[in-house]
Amino acid sequence: NAGVTQTPKFRVLKTGQSMTLLCAQDMNHEYMYWYRQDPGMGLRLIHYSVGEGTTAKGEVPDGYNVSRLKKQNFLLGLESAAPSQTSVYFCASSYTDRGPTSSYEQYFGPGTRLTVT
Amino acid sequence: SQKIEQNSEALNIQEGKTATLTCNYTNYSPAYLQWYRQDPGRGPVFLLLIRENEKEKRKERLKVTFDTTLKQSLFHITASQPADSATYLCALSSGGSYIPTFGRGTSLIVHP
Repeated sequence: NAGVTQTPKFRVLKTGQSMTLLCAQDMNHEYMYWYRQDPGMGLRLIHYSVGEGTTAKGEVPDGYNVSRLKKQNFLLGLESAAPSQTSVYFCASSYTDRGPTSSYEQYFGPGTRLTVT
Repeated sequence: SQKIEQNSEALNIQEGKTATLTCNYTNYSPAYLQWYRQDPGRGPVFLLLIRENEKEKRKERLKVTFDTTLKQSLFHITASQPADSATYLCALSSGGSYIPTFGRGTSLIVHP
């Protein structure tokens, strides 16, 4: 059981280049999320998905696109990278259970450190 | 606007003492509040959840309180150890939402 994995771990891009970050989970979770974490800013939600084939915008969606073609995968795309997108990106997933004993726990991946020059 | 505040200054304490971290919020009606631990270079890890109708929750050396009147949660680690050194994040979710909003986190440093 690998949990949540992210590919790649590190990446350096030049301004204007594109790339895709891959997130995979093997826990059969319905919900998946992409966050970015910047010094002093905390975790900010970029996009999220409540199930296969569905996506929605979070707090800071501009400059990013996502796709959830398979339940276990959630892809984050940068079409034209900008230095402002230099950050650490975290993927997370969670269960749909919202019962009285649910912990609403989010399971996070190890992160992708992206630098845009 | 909604705001979650955690002390940006690191908390330094001696081993064996109780560490207390604070999470304050404004313009929020949270249904529940979570605490996560984050080690350098790693993703956050869930620790505890407390619901709006609960005053206190415990798990081993951890204790969380939730005061919806003061709009504050306190996170305590008793008998702290150097291995407890990390950044601790609080996260709030409103009723009906499964998506938490995270605070910026507070760094805890436990000195031997």
